[in-house]
Amino acid sequence: DQQVKQNSPSLSVQEGRISILNCDYTNSMFDYFLWYKKYPAEGPTFLISISSIKDKNEDGRFTVFLNKSAKHLSLHIVPSQPGDSAVYFCAARANYGGATNKLIFGTGTLLAVQP
Amino acid sequence: DTAVSQTPKYLVTQMGNDKSIKCEQNLGHDTMYWYKQDSKKFLKIMFSYNNKELIINETVPNRFSPKSPDKAHLNLHINSLELGDSAVYFCASSQDGIGETTEAFFGQGTRLTVV
Repeated sequence: DQQVKQNSPSLSVQEGRISILNCDYTNSMFDYFLWYKKYPAEGPTFLISISSIKDKNEDGRFTVFLNKSAKHLSLHIVPSQPGDSAVYFCAARANYGGATNKLIFGTGTLLAVQP
Repeated sequence: DTAVSQTPKYLVTQMGNDKSIKCEQNLGHDTMYWYKQDSKKFLKIMFSYNNKELIINETVPNRFSPKSPDKAHLNLHINSLELGDSAVYFCASSQDGIGETTEAFFGQGTRLTVV
Protein backbone atom coordinates (compact mmCIF):
# COMPACT_ATOMS: atom_id res chain seq x y z
CA ASP A 1 0.00 0.00 0.00
CA GLN A 2 1.86 3.01 -1.29
CA GLN A 3 0.86 6.04 0.76
CA VAL A 4 3.01 8.51 -1.15
CA LYS A 5 2.93 8.40 -4.92
CA GLN A 6 4.92 10.11 -7.60
CA ASN A 7 3.22 9.07 -10.79
CA SER A 8 5.75 10.55 -13.18
CA PRO A 9 8.94 8.50 -13.19
CA SER A 10 10.71 11.09 -15.31
CA LEU A 11 10.48 14.68 -16.52
CA SER A 12 12.51 16.57 -19.10
CA VAL A 13 12.65 20.37 -19.10
CA GLN A 14 14.60 23.01 -20.98
CA GLU A 15 17.08 25.12 -19.05
CA GLY A 16 15.48 28.33 -17.83
CA ARG A 17 11.94 26.94 -17.89
CA ILE A 18 9.85 25.83 -14.95
CA SER A 19 10.02 22.26 -13.62
CA ILE A 20 6.92 20.99 -11.82
CA LEU A 21 7.16 17.75 -9.90
CA ASN A 22 4.02 16.25 -8.45
CA CYS A 23 3.23 14.06 -5.49
CA ASP A 24 0.02 12.56 -4.13
CA TYR A 25 -0.62 11.01 -0.75
CA THR A 26 -3.40 9.02 0.82
CA ASN A 27 -2.95 9.38 4.58
CA SER A 28 -4.66 12.50 5.94
CA MET A 29 -2.66 12.13 9.18
CA PHE A 30 0.59 13.18 7.56
CA ASP A 31 1.64 16.44 9.17
CA TYR A 32 4.75 17.43 7.33
CA PHE A 33 6.02 17.01 3.79
CA LEU A 34 9.52 17.16 2.40
CA TRP A 35 11.31 17.06 -0.91
CA TYR A 36 14.68 15.39 -1.27
CA LYS A 37 17.09 15.51 -4.17
CA LYS A 38 19.32 12.59 -5.01
CA TYR A 39 22.31 12.38 -7.33
CA PRO A 40 23.61 8.97 -8.47
CA ALA A 41 25.76 7.15 -5.89
CA GLU A 42 24.87 9.69 -3.20
CA GLY A 43 22.35 9.79 -0.41
CA PRO A 44 19.20 11.93 -0.63
CA THR A 45 19.71 15.52 0.44
CA PHE A 46 16.99 17.67 1.93
CA LEU A 47 15.66 20.37 -0.37
CA ILE A 48 12.54 22.01 1.03
CA SER A 49 9.64 21.18 3.32
CA ILE A 50 6.15 22.32 4.21
CA SER A 51 3.98 21.90 7.24
CA SER A 52 0.42 20.67 6.77
CA ILE A 53 -0.87 23.96 8.19
CA LYS A 54 0.58 25.89 5.27
CA ASP A 55 -0.16 25.83 1.57
CA LYS A 56 3.07 27.28 0.22
CA ASN A 57 6.73 27.50 1.12
CA GLU A 58 9.36 29.20 -0.95
CA ASP A 59 13.14 29.00 -0.85
CA GLY A 60 14.96 30.70 -3.67
CA ARG A 61 14.20 28.94 -6.92
CA PHE A 62 12.22 26.23 -5.14
CA THR A 63 8.58 26.47 -4.09
CA VAL A 64 6.45 23.73 -2.65
CA PHE A 65 2.66 23.92 -2.82
CA LEU A 66 0.33 21.85 -0.70
CA ASN A 67 -3.32 21.19 -1.48
CA LYS A 68 -4.65 19.27 1.52
CA SER A 69 -8.14 18.78 0.16
CA ALA A 70 -6.70 17.08 -2.91
CA LYS A 71 -3.91 15.40 -0.92
CA HIS A 72 -1.48 16.74 -3.45
CA LEU A 73 1.77 18.61 -3.31
CA SER A 74 4.07 19.91 -5.98
CA LEU A 75 7.59 21.23 -6.24
CA HIS A 76 8.26 24.10 -8.62
CA ILE A 77 11.77 24.90 -9.73
CA VAL A 78 12.20 28.12 -11.64
CA PRO A 79 14.33 28.77 -13.52
CA SER A 80 15.54 25.21 -13.99
CA GLN A 81 19.27 24.67 -14.30
CA PRO A 82 21.26 21.69 -15.63
CA GLY A 83 22.61 21.12 -12.10
CA ASP A 84 19.05 20.44 -10.97
CA SER A 85 19.11 17.18 -12.94
CA ALA A 86 18.61 14.49 -10.30
CA VAL A 87 15.99 12.20 -8.81
CA TYR A 88 13.50 14.06 -6.63
CA PHE A 89 11.76 12.23 -3.83
CA CYS A 90 8.63 13.41 -2.14
CA ALA A 91 8.30 12.31 1.50
CA ALA A 92 5.62 12.59 4.13
CA ARG A 93 6.10 12.43 7.87
CA ALA A 94 4.02 10.08 9.96
CA ASN A 95 4.12 10.92 13.63
CA TYR A 96 4.32 7.99 16.00
CA GLY A 97 3.36 10.10 18.95
CA GLY A 98 5.95 11.76 21.08
CA ALA A 99 9.38 12.34 19.64
CA THR A 100 9.42 9.71 16.94
CA ASN A 101 8.62 10.22 13.31
CA LYS A 102 9.19 8.27 10.18
CA LEU A 103 9.38 9.44 6.62
CA ILE A 104 7.42 7.67 3.94
CA PHE A 105 8.88 8.20 0.51
CA GLY A 106 7.50 8.22 -2.99
CA THR A 107 9.32 6.35 -5.73
CA GLY A 108 10.99 9.44 -7.12
CA THR A 109 10.94 11.45 -10.34
CA LEU A 110 14.03 11.72 -12.49
CA LEU A 111 14.37 15.31 -13.65
CA ALA A 112 16.55 16.04 -16.66
CA VAL A 113 17.21 19.70 -17.42
CA GLN A 114 18.41 20.12 -20.98
CA PRO A 115 20.91 22.93 -21.70
CA ASP B 1 33.46 16.79 7.33
CA THR B 2 30.76 14.23 6.64
CA ALA B 3 27.61 14.54 8.74
CA VAL B 4 26.34 10.97 8.29
CA SER B 5 28.90 8.45 7.17
CA GLN B 6 28.40 4.80 6.47
CA THR B 7 30.86 2.08 5.56
CA PRO B 8 31.44 0.31 3.34
CA LYS B 9 30.12 2.08 0.26
CA TYR B 10 30.07 -1.16 -1.73
CA LEU B 11 29.72 -4.68 -0.41
CA VAL B 12 29.71 -7.82 -2.54
CA THR B 13 29.23 -11.09 -0.71
CA GLN B 14 28.01 -14.62 -1.17
CA MET B 15 24.68 -16.01 -0.11
CA GLY B 16 24.65 -17.32 3.40
CA ASN B 17 27.32 -14.96 4.70
CA ASP B 18 26.91 -12.56 7.62
CA LYS B 19 27.83 -8.93 7.09
CA SER B 20 27.64 -5.60 8.87
CA ILE B 21 27.22 -2.02 7.70
CA LYS B 22 28.37 0.74 10.02
CA CYS B 23 26.89 4.19 10.40
CA GLU B 24 28.01 7.21 12.37
CA GLN B 25 26.60 10.72 12.61
CA ASN B 26 28.37 13.77 14.03
CA LEU B 27 25.33 16.03 14.08
CA GLY B 28 24.39 15.37 17.68
CA HIS B 29 21.02 13.98 16.61
CA ASP B 30 18.96 11.77 18.87
CA THR B 31 17.38 9.61 16.21
CA MET B 32 18.95 7.35 13.61
CA TYR B 33 17.39 5.26 10.87
CA TRP B 34 18.07 2.56 8.34
CA TYR B 35 16.32 2.79 4.99
CA LYS B 36 16.41 0.31 2.12
CA GLN B 37 16.15 1.25 -1.53
CA ASP B 38 15.25 -1.78 -3.58
CA SER B 39 15.57 -2.50 -7.28
CA LYS B 40 12.38 -0.55 -7.96
CA LYS B 41 14.00 2.52 -6.34
CA PHE B 42 11.46 2.45 -3.54
CA LEU B 43 13.02 3.98 -0.40
CA LYS B 44 11.53 2.38 2.68
CA ILE B 45 12.26 2.66 6.38
CA MET B 46 13.53 -0.44 8.18
CA PHE B 47 14.43 0.70 11.68
CA SER B 48 14.57 3.78 13.84
CA TYR B 49 16.47 4.27 17.07
CA ASN B 50 16.00 7.17 19.46
CA ASN B 51 18.71 7.58 22.08
CA LYS B 52 19.84 3.98 21.55
CA GLU B 53 16.30 2.67 21.97
CA LEU B 54 14.52 0.84 19.15
CA ILE B 55 11.43 2.82 18.22
CA ILE B 56 10.44 1.68 14.75
CA ASN B 57 10.82 -1.85 13.47
CA GLU B 58 9.06 -2.33 10.18
CA THR B 59 8.31 -5.73 8.73
CA VAL B 60 11.90 -6.77 8.26
CA PRO B 61 13.21 -10.36 8.51
CA ASN B 62 14.84 -11.05 11.85
CA ARG B 63 18.06 -11.80 9.98
CA PHE B 64 18.46 -8.02 10.09
CA SER B 65 19.55 -6.77 13.49
CA PRO B 66 20.36 -3.13 14.18
CA LYS B 67 22.71 -2.27 17.00
CA SER B 68 23.20 1.13 18.57
CA PRO B 69 26.19 1.26 20.92
CA ASP B 70 25.59 4.98 21.46
CA LYS B 71 23.34 7.61 19.96
CA ALA B 72 25.93 8.58 17.34
CA HIS B 73 26.16 5.07 15.90
CA LEU B 74 23.66 2.68 14.37
CA ASN B 75 25.07 -0.43 12.76
CA LEU B 76 23.16 -2.96 10.70
CA HIS B 77 24.05 -6.61 10.91
CA ILE B 78 22.61 -9.07 8.42
CA ASN B 79 22.76 -12.82 8.94
CA SER B 80 22.46 -15.53 6.31
CA LEU B 81 22.36 -13.15 3.38
CA GLU B 82 19.96 -13.91 0.55
CA LEU B 83 19.85 -12.77 -3.06
CA GLY B 84 16.82 -10.63 -2.31
CA ASP B 85 18.81 -8.60 0.21
CA SER B 86 20.66 -6.94 -2.64
CA ALA B 87 19.80 -3.26 -2.43
CA VAL B 88 21.17 0.11 -1.41
CA TYR B 89 20.97 0.69 2.34
CA PHE B 90 20.89 4.24 3.65
CA CYS B 91 21.55 5.38 7.15
CA ALA B 92 19.99 8.65 8.29
CA SER B 93 19.66 10.79 11.37
CA SER B 94 17.39 13.55 12.58
CA GLN B 95 16.74 15.65 15.65
CA ASP B 96 13.17 14.68 16.35
CA GLY B 97 11.00 16.29 18.89
CA ILE B 98 7.39 16.93 19.65
CA GLY B 99 6.12 19.54 17.23
CA GLU B 100 9.54 20.00 15.70
CA THR B 101 9.79 20.07 11.97
CA THR B 102 13.07 18.47 11.16
CA GLU B 103 14.46 16.75 8.16
CA ALA B 104 16.51 13.60 8.09
CA PHE B 105 20.11 13.70 6.91
CA PHE B 106 21.23 10.72 4.88
CA GLY B 107 24.50 8.92 4.42
CA GLN B 108 25.82 8.15 0.96
CA GLY B 109 24.44 4.64 0.94
CA THR B 110 25.88 1.13 0.90
CA ARG B 111 25.26 -0.89 -2.21
CA LEU B 112 24.97 -4.50 -1.12
CA THR B 113 25.19 -7.18 -3.79
CA VAL B 114 24.58 -10.78 -2.81
CA VAL B 115 25.83 -13.34 -5.32
